Amino acid sequence: DIQMTQSPSSLSASVGDRVTLTCRASQSISRSLNWYQQKPGRAPKVMIYDASSLQSGVPSRFSGSGSGTDFTLTISSLQPEDFATYYCQHTYNTPTTFGGGTKVEIK
Amino acid sequence: EVQLLESGGGLVQPGGSLRLSCAASGFTFSSYGMSWVRQAPEKGLEWVTGLSGSGDNAYYADSVKGRFTISRDNSKNTLYLQMNSLRAEDTAVYYCAKETAVVGKPTFDGWGQGTLVTVSS
Repeated sequence: DIQMTQSPSSLSASVGDRVTLTCRASQSISRSLNWYQQKPGRAPKVMIYDASSLQSGVPSRFSGSGSGTDFTLTISSLQPEDFATYYCQHTYNTPTTFGGGTKVEIK
Repeated sequence: EVQLLESGGGLVQPGGSLRLSCAASGFTFSSYGMSWVRQAPEKGLEWVTGLSGSGDNAYYADSVKGRFTISRDNSKNTLYLQMNSLRAEDTAVYYCAKETAVVGKPTFDGWGQGTLVTVSS
């Protein structure tokens, strides 16, 4: 199975900050990488699919990049509603697997 | 609007069985693959099993293979998860999730609210 490793596991940031989250795959997955946002007690929500495509309805301050094994999710200007846990997921083969998550907290 | 409503969770003893259901609306159910994704308390997300839109192709995580069975009734727009030989490590919130394609693309663009399964004596 492909292992997905996210870093950092948590970070503290202020409203307005630019934030970058990292996800690394244990083998090349081309651009088969999604990012999800999850708030406490809620289901996840897809933000970015296929490494860099913005899901409909997601604010443009979110962007994704990368290919192969290294990927990033960037929030250009952190807003109060963005404080949440973010998970990456590969869709390269079966089984799909998720990273351990990065919790973005208020500084 | 995609709506997914899970039911059937609860407390079950180790070795017991449980059947989860997921009622879907707001989209053409048979045109999309569906999956179950679980989340143990205070832990991350784990894909459990997926099924193609036709119901012909099923996929399982090694952790549940031989114990769990996914199925669907496209006439009732409902997805099921039969869970047998349950273990303490199966304790989790189970989410029903809609895929973005009929088969082979487990990008999840719709999720239910989740149903809690607790395996304990």
